[in-house]
Amino acid sequence: SAVISQKPSRDICQRGTSLTIQCQVDSQVTMMFWYRQQPGQSLTLIATANQGSEATYESGFVIDKFPISRPNLTFSTLTVSNMSPEDSSIYLCSVDTGPGQPQHFGDGTRLSIL
Amino acid sequence: EDKVVQSPLSLVVHEGDTVTLNCSYEVTNFRSLLWYKQEKKAPTFLFMLTSSGIEKKSGRLSSILDKKELFSILNITATQTGDSAVYLCAVEAEKNDMRFGAGTRLTVKP
Repeated sequence: SAVISQKPSRDICQRGTSLTIQCQVDSQVTMMFWYRQQPGQSLTLIATANQGSEATYESGFVIDKFPISRPNLTFSTLTVSNMSPEDSSIYLCSVDTGPGQPQHFGDGTRLSIL
Repeated sequence: EDKVVQSPLSLVVHEGDTVTLNCSYEVTNFRSLLWYKQEKKAPTFLFMLTSSGIEKKSGRLSSILDKKELFSILNITATQTGDSAVYLCAVEAEKNDMRFGAGTRLTVKP
């Protein structure tokens, strides 16, 4: 399976600031996904990031708040903008390694906003 | 609206016990059902099920899917303390995105 490196592993940020999370894969993948897991909750899909096109956002998530880049087939970033305490969550990237294959996850970023 | 429902939400057992975790779903354009184990942050893949009635096994873990009744179970036999985790069920639709259930938090006591 693909090796997925996500950083930072954790961060504590001040409200009103922005943080960019990076996701690097050791092989080329078509689709990358960004999820949020709020405390005590399950995973919720934020957006799907395809190389060469704009990300597709799920209901309740907007580009201004969560801008995503996908400059090539092995890398993506998610920015959490103008953070508030409600953004305190684990953010996870995952990759789709091909038809009929499961998505695999990065190690996640635990984000706390003071 | 698509939904994935897991039960129980939490479970406490002793080492050596056998547990059964449940996952029911209502999803348009179903492609597959997946089970993940989440111990800290990253969910790790356990099983991917696409066909009814075919049991998948990995050591003490096994899982089966019923596409007629729209549910899956995950069995863990002879549980160990290392099995303590949140077990997530997810259903994949045609868009490749996955919808996750709330998870079952399993605690295995020595």
